[in-house]
Amino acid sequence: DTAVSQTPKYLVTQMGNDKSIKCEQNLGHDTMYWYKQDSKKFLKIMFSYNNKELIINETVPNRFSPKSPDKAHLNLHINSLELGDSAVYFCASSQLDIQYFGAGTRLSVL
Amino acid sequence: GNSVTQMEGPVTLSEEAFLTINCTYTATGYPSLFWYVQYPGEGLQLLLKATKADDKGSNKGFEATYRKETTSFHLEKGSVQVSDSAVYFCALSLDNNFNKFYFGSGTKLNVKP
Repeated sequence: DTAVSQTPKYLVTQMGNDKSIKCEQNLGHDTMYWYKQDSKKFLKIMFSYNNKELIINETVPNRFSPKSPDKAHLNLHINSLELGDSAVYFCASSQLDIQYFGAGTRLSVL
Repeated sequence: GNSVTQMEGPVTLSEEAFLTINCTYTATGYPSLFWYVQYPGEGLQLLLKATKADDKGSNKGFEATYRKETTSFHLEKGSVQVSDSAVYFCALSLDNNFNKFYFGSGTKLNVKP
């Protein structure tokens, strides 16, 4: 069983579209995250939720909206996609000081 | 502020060579330090960690020692293998806020047979 799973693995879409990425963890962790990894592999935190509550919201355009229906799920919705949104998006969960990452969603905006 | 700086890559080595990837940090509190590894097409996974000064983390032949005096956590391996080719990330979290992690920019390692 995959501990942190995110779907889809690949997402190709046109500028201006709205898309969602889903994430689920079966580790029983309280905290979940979304990260963006650019083409140079730099990893930047976007959001963090603890028990369905938003606790970290970095400087991210408000076109990005996370939603946590329960503590095992953290979805990311992106409105009005732009070219600069092309990246790999990673979901992660943690309990105390170790993070567990999903395999990533490669988003390509054309 | 809190940040992690690691050496720029890529680092290219021959199999069985000695590896060092430098990592230094700045932190406003007492950090725990980590190395994560990302194999091609996968997410990051924890390689090793150290939670206090002078601790040594080790796993799969990799080692790193938490040096408070030099604010460093350099990753070393005595003899690399082709299968070690990956991107390595140094990271820290603060003991008063395990919810937030600070990652370095990653160092790509290429090991040639």
